[in-house]
Amino acid sequence: GAVVSQHPSWVICKSGTSVKIECRSLDFQATTMFWYRQFPKQSLMLMATSNEGSKATYEQGVEKDKFLINHASLTLSTLTVTSAHPEDSSFYICSARDPYLAKNIQYFGAGTRLSVL
Amino acid sequence: AQTVTQSQPEMSVQEAETVTLSCTYDTSESDYYLFWYKQPPSRQMILVIRQEAYKQQNATENRFSVNFQKAAKSFSLKISDSQLGDAAMYFCAYRSAIGTYKYIFGTGTRLKVLA
Repeated sequence: GAVVSQHPSWVICKSGTSVKIECRSLDFQATTMFWYRQFPKQSLMLMATSNEGSKATYEQGVEKDKFLINHASLTLSTLTVTSAHPEDSSFYICSARDPYLAKNIQYFGAGTRLSVL
Repeated sequence: AQTVTQSQPEMSVQEAETVTLSCTYDTSESDYYLFWYKQPPSRQMILVIRQEAYKQQNATENRFSVNFQKAAKSFSLKISDSQLGDAAMYFCAYRSAIGTYKYIFGTGTRLKVLA
């Protein structure tokens, strides 16, 4: 099946710094990628939809200036948490859709645990 | 707007037994897709099974099968011959057949498998 790689798996940063998370589709080209946030023992909350070559579409209540998304190529989307604060600590998960094969399925990365001190 | 409800926060099953996880959804659309994803302790989301709403036949994948009741907007997952490796969080998800391809997830059911 399709593989989505997410890096890093765990990051610890100081309050006020920015953190970049990468999401790569390894064996397919993903025109659309999704970024989710998951709090402990809770469901996945969609933050934004990332489209290659265009601006991301953010869900209501998600600060676009806080969570910068760039989808510069068909295999890479990045999420940058700017000026991170302890309340941004969470588990972030990306997923990607293969537009040519099983296009109704999202393939997920293994997630990134962000801890802001 | 569509919603997905999983009313069982936690379920337990004895190894080798059968368990059914419930999922209901609300939509005004006639064409859509439904999924069950498994999230083990590693947090990696794994697709378990999917169902196209236009198909009347219930999807099956080895020990996993669904009971799709379109009129009742119900999409339950049955796990037969439960194994210790089935222990995980299970999320039900809805995706419209048109639009942005985004998923709407339920709140999840934690499945414990007892040896």
